[in-house]
Amino acid sequence: ETGVTQSPTHLIKTRGQQVTLRCSSQSGHNTVSWYQQALGQGPQFIFQYYREEENGRGNFPPRFSGLQFPNYSSELNVNALELDDSALYLCASSAYTSPGANVLTFGAGSRLTVL
Amino acid sequence: QQQVKQSPQSLIVQKGGIPIINCAYENTAFDYFPWYQQFPGKGPALLIAIRPDVSEKKEGRFTISFNKSAKQFSLHIMDSQPGDSATYFCAASIGAYNTDKLIFGTGTRLQVFP
Repeated sequence: ETGVTQSPTHLIKTRGQQVTLRCSSQSGHNTVSWYQQALGQGPQFIFQYYREEENGRGNFPPRFSGLQFPNYSSELNVNALELDDSALYLCASSAYTSPGANVLTFGAGSRLTVL
Repeated sequence: QQQVKQSPQSLIVQKGGIPIINCAYENTAFDYFPWYQQFPGKGPALLIAIRPDVSEKKEGRFTISFNKSAKQFSLHIMDSQPGDSATYFCAASIGAYNTDKLIFGTGTRLQVFP
């Protein structure tokens, strides 16, 4: 059973550019969530995808967008990068099966630096 | 607005000690309270979780104490080991189907020395 894998592990962008981060969910999981973890802070919920549709969104602007594919993998896209977007972006998958069973399994993250 | 407040920011204990990490919340609608453990270079991993209908839950050396009236919960690590050195996050969520939409605390960096 493979866990959650993310790519790339590190990347550097300049302000105003766009970035795409990718995530493969754990086998058997049908839901993908994205979190932003700034240095020294806890993860913050960006959004979640279930059955290729957005299923909840945190307090993030529309320039943060995502996709989920039929194989449950996912992408996070961030447009018009700002310096404050520098963070570790965590992807987590879960199995949307029954109440209380949606336990997150996190990947190791993609470290984004915006210069 | 931080909905889950965690303290202390960092904690240093000797091997065998019992570190205690505290979290407080305001929103009484929260009904699921997990603790996550994160090692450097890794994503957070679920350690233990509790619902507000119980006051304590133990799993191995890890115990959650929950005080509903005070809106506080804490993590106790019994007989701590150097391998427990990590960052610990408390979290909370609302709704039976939303245990994967979490609001995290700011984290506590724990160091356990031999």
